Amino acid sequence: ETGVTQSPTHLIKTRGQQVTLRCSSQSGHNTVSWYQQALGQGPQFIFQYYREEENGRGNFPPRFSGLQFPNYSSELNVNALELDDSALYLCASSLKTGEETQYFGPGTRLLVL
Amino acid sequence: RKEVEQDPGPFNVPEGATVAFNCTYSNSASQSFFWYRQDCRKEPKLLMSVYSSGNEDGRFTAQLNRASQYISLLIRDSKLSDSATYLCVVNPGAGSYQLTFGKGTKLSVIP
Repeated sequence: ETGVTQSPTHLIKTRGQQVTLRCSSQSGHNTVSWYQQALGQGPQFIFQYYREEENGRGNFPPRFSGLQFPNYSSELNVNALELDDSALYLCASSLKTGEETQYFGPGTRLLVL
Repeated sequence: RKEVEQDPGPFNVPEGATVAFNCTYSNSASQSFFWYRQDCRKEPKLLMSVYSSGNEDGRFTAQLNRASQYISLLIRDSKLSDSATYLCVVNPGAGSYQLTFGKGTKLSVIP
């Protein structure tokens, strides 16, 4: 196991609602990245947090937002949910020393009805 | 052109077979390259990094051709446990830690 944990494991929401997903990074890792994986696709980069600051963002609208806390855990918030937001949301942690290996958590499977 | 493109698959091979996956990437400035493995309904797990000199880990061999922007993964003596989706992954580098994934190629190893 990677030591990266995510909660909840599964979630069902309806269109227009808001959701918060949580991630605890591997011990000693100060960087957290979030990815969205739709069915049959590879993961798509949402954004990354390093020492509580956003450190890069993919092609996702502003209703996708995040936070990183002093203990390096992180949250992904999605507002005004749409049906296309249904996906597996993956969190990955890494130690930002130039080694880019990222360790993924088990993901949260979100279904928007 | 997609940033990372892989063989569409799926690949269905008998146990013991050798199978090769191919991948191309569009950003010539990309710095780091990986193969990840993803089992059904699980998270991606790092299989191996890919270096210009090529690298081998047991039955797995990865190659990188920067001039052609091409990455490959060879699996020899396939096992049933190799059945998974194999994801080609590129990091653009230059201070970026964003991973760009291909769509993945599904491998089924058949008894």
